[in-house]
Amino acid sequence: AQTVTQSQPEMSVQEAETVTLSCTYDTSESDYYLFWYKQPPSRQMILVIRQEAYKQQNATENRFSVNFQKAAKSFSLKISDSQLGDAAMYFCAYRSGHGSGNTGKLIFGQGTTLQVKP
Amino acid sequence: NAGVTQTPKFRVLKTGQSMTLLCAQDMNHEYMYWYRQDPGMGLRLIHYSVGEGTTAKGEVPDGYNVSRLKKQNFLLGLESAAPSQTSVYFCASSYWLAGDETQYFGPGTRLLVL
Repeated sequence: AQTVTQSQPEMSVQEAETVTLSCTYDTSESDYYLFWYKQPPSRQMILVIRQEAYKQQNATENRFSVNFQKAAKSFSLKISDSQLGDAAMYFCAYRSGHGSGNTGKLIFGQGTTLQVKP
Repeated sequence: NAGVTQTPKFRVLKTGQSMTLLCAQDMNHEYMYWYRQDPGMGLRLIHYSVGEGTTAKGEVPDGYNVSRLKKQNFLLGLESAAPSQTSVYFCASSYWLAGDETQYFGPGTRLLVL
């Protein structure tokens, strides 16, 4: 079974600085997808960024980028130029590939609460 | 385009009462999911559906039932609520096509069982 681990329950960053959130996962599959979701106080789950395992290039979305280390099974999220609106809980999630019987369910880590200090 | 909606947003139940949570999506997605979120544990899958008329158990299905009579709706039922079911419940939906694997989430339902 696949597992996702976020070992940092809480992180803080100064506004305009850069912060990295860690995520490791365990799987025996070769085809899968990784996601970072943001959950602000409103509780809405917002997709931040996604990475396909077969792509070596790290995904980037504006100020958000990932460091995907497939061999190490590591998937960290870097937030550059942090803004007050980035304060939220961040979840790392894993989804199996399109093989037979795969249902597309997400497996989540425990979450990291990010505080942004003005 | 409302995306994924959930009804109700908040509910208080007494132990032993029953209720149904409704999830609706207008994106014509085949796949729908129910998760629960508890402090320190992330989101865990309760039940899911891969199409109209089909349902299957997820990681934590005990005490819940589901139905998917219409493609756009996915209902989660609690027959006899217990305090351990106090949680925030999220519905999600997606296609399952190569190149579009994103799950879209509803706003959540907060349930308190006394």
